Amino acid sequence: EIVLTQSPGTLSLSPGERATLSCRASQSISRNYLAWYQQKPGQAPTLLIYGAFTRATGIPDRFSGSGSGTDFTLTIGRLEPEDYAVYYCHKYDSSPLTFGGGTKVEIK
Amino acid sequence: EVQLVESGGDLVQPGGSLRLSCAASGFTFRDYWMYWVRQVPGKGLVCVSHINTDGSYTAYEDSVKGRFTITRDNAKNTLYLQMNSLRVEDTAVYYCVRKMIHNPFDRWGQGTLVTVSS
Repeated sequence: EIVLTQSPGTLSLSPGERATLSCRASQSISRNYLAWYQQKPGQAPTLLIYGAFTRATGIPDRFSGSGSGTDFTLTIGRLEPEDYAVYYCHKYDSSPLTFGGGTKVEIK
Repeated sequence: EVQLVESGGDLVQPGGSLRLSCAASGFTFRDYWMYWVRQVPGKGLVCVSHINTDGSYTAYEDSVKGRFTITRDNAKNTLYLQMNSLRVEDTAVYYCVRKMIHNPFDRWGQGTLVTVSS
């Protein structure tokens, strides 16, 4: 089973700052089938990025994904108030489908 | 509008049973693999079970094998999760999620809370 490790666990940043979130896989993820989700308190996760770098429908361009193989990054260009949330990476190439432990982006 | 609406979550004693349902609308249900993903409050996400488009293939996370059963009724556009021999550690929010092959989870239900406690 491929394990996804996200870092840091918590990121404390001010509005307008840039956020860089990391997701490292224990083995290479085929076809870059790596997605990122945002989850706000009391809500279900929503899809932000898939295929490592493709934004989902309606996602603002301040969200960008990069990486390949075992190392992936989610970047939020300039934090808006609505961006404070928990972010999860997720591999969907083959079973078992797994998630990283999450990175919480909180207001500094 | 695509909707996935879970129901059936409740407070149940250890050893008890529950059946979760997920009503799908706004898309062609039979075209999608369906998953149950659970989340212990304040913790991460775990895929518990999934089923293929016609219900002929199912899979389970090790901790629920032999206790949970996933089924679907494509005529009713509904996904189910029969949960037996419930344990305290099954306490979580259970999400119904859709997926197409080669695509990520793109729509989630709002979740239903299962609490296992005496």
